[in-house]
Amino acid sequence: NAGVTQTPKFQVLKTGQSMTLQCAQDMNHEYMSWYRQDPGMGLRLIHYSVGAGITDQGEVPNGYNVSRSTTEDFPLRLLSAAPSQTSVYFCASSFFPGSYEQYFGPGTRLTVT
Amino acid sequence: LAKTTQPISMDSYEGQEVNITCSHNNIATNDYITWYQQFPSQGPRFIIQGYKTKVTNEVASLFIPADRKSSTLSLPRVSLSDTAVYYCLVRGGGSYIPTFGRGTSLIVHP
Repeated sequence: NAGVTQTPKFQVLKTGQSMTLQCAQDMNHEYMSWYRQDPGMGLRLIHYSVGAGITDQGEVPNGYNVSRSTTEDFPLRLLSAAPSQTSVYFCASSFFPGSYEQYFGPGTRLTVT
Repeated sequence: LAKTTQPISMDSYEGQEVNITCSHNNIATNDYITWYQQFPSQGPRFIIQGYKTKVTNEVASLFIPADRKSSTLSLPRVSLSDTAVYYCLVRGGGSYIPTFGRGTSLIVHP
């Protein structure tokens, strides 16, 4: 198993540009989520999904969209990048909603200029 | 959501035992306590979970008193490679969404 994979590893955007951060897992996990981590901060939940076709907002959803058309994939879209979205983004998955044993991807470091 | 409180940072030396305590006063009756470890430039990694008393695995031990209002992660004989941020998670209040606080930054010195 590859576990949770994320692409790209690094990305630089200009303000106003849009892009999609990819996340995939091959463990047949129901629950997937996106976090952002800023320097000196913990992880803040952006969006999550409890299964294909079902998504919901987390703590900091503004400026981000998600969809979950398959069990494996959970892309995060930045609609119009802003410098405040400069952060490290982590995707995570777990067998079922409510499981605290989450598996994290390696992260995407995003810089918005 | 249950709130957790843990020290912002701790320092230790190689070979010492490190204990990191987390307070979670409003933990739900059916909630577990989970700890994660995050190395620099990596995603967090699940290390241990428990409900009551003591849990031990190859990485750490977790001590939970009878009232479950706190828990202590114990790392025996730490090495430089244990330098990381450690997060304590509980749920509380019926939510199943895990919330990460700022964690405890552990620095192990030679």
